[in-house]
Amino acid sequence: NFMLTQPHSVSESPGKTVTISCIRSSGSIASNYVQWYQQRPGSAPTTVIYEDNQRPSGVPDRFSGSIDSSSNSASLTISGLKTEDDADYYCQSYYSSNWVFGGGTKLTVL
Amino acid sequence: VQLVESGGGLIQPGGSLRLSCAASGFSFSSYAMSWVRQAPGKGLECVSTISSGGGMTYYADSVKGRFTISRDNSENTLYLQMNNLRAEDTAVYYCAKRDSSGWYGVDNWGQGTLVTVSS
Repeated sequence: NFMLTQPHSVSESPGKTVTISCIRSSGSIASNYVQWYQQRPGSAPTTVIYEDNQRPSGVPDRFSGSIDSSSNSASLTISGLKTEDDADYYCQSYYSSNWVFGGGTKLTVL
Repeated sequence: VQLVESGGGLIQPGGSLRLSCAASGFSFSSYAMSWVRQAPGKGLECVSTISSGGGMTYYADSVKGRFTISRDNSENTLYLQMNNLRAEDTAVYYCAKRDSSGWYGVDNWGQGTLVTVSS
C-alpha cells in the first residue's frame, strides 16, 4: 500500500507552463502506471494522461506526463496555459485491483 | 462511449438505494467497471470494481458488507446496491469504464449521480 501526495494548489499565468507533481510514498513510481485526471468546476473528471505519458485522443499536446525515479514522482506538465485549464487535477496509480488517488491539485490560471 | 448514471437522491441514514449506469458506444461485456465517489469538496475514492464477466468483485473497506456491485451484460448496465447508508456516504457517484487491462485506470467517466444521506 502507498500514498500519492500532490500540492494543494498551484497558479500560473496564461501562456506559461506549469508542472504538477505527484510523489509516491513507498515502492517505485515506475512499478505501476500513473494516470492524470482533469476535473473542471461542476463537471465529472476526464482522463488527460494514461500509462504515465500517453494522451487520449482529443487531449491537446500541451498536456504531457512523465515519471522520475530519482524523486519517486510523476509529473503533469501543461504548456501554453489557457483559462480553460483552470481545474482540479488528480494523479492515480494502483496496486492489485485497488486504485490510489492523489488528493488533487487546484490549478488556477490567472 | 457514453455512461449515464441514475438512481441518486436524498435518503435517510440506514436506508437503501440502487444506482444504475447505462453504457453505450463500446463492448460493455469486455471491460471491467468501477464506481468512484467524490464527497462534497473532497477527492476521488474508488468504492467498488467488477470484472468484465461479473465473476470478480472488489470493495473499499469503507463500504464492504454494505454495498454490492453487479452488472447485466445483456442490458449493458452496471449497478451499485447501497444498503445501511451513512452520512459519510454522501457523495457524487461516478460510473467508470476501466482501461483495457482492467487494472491501470479510467478510460471514460459518467457524469455522476448525487447521493445525499441525511435525516
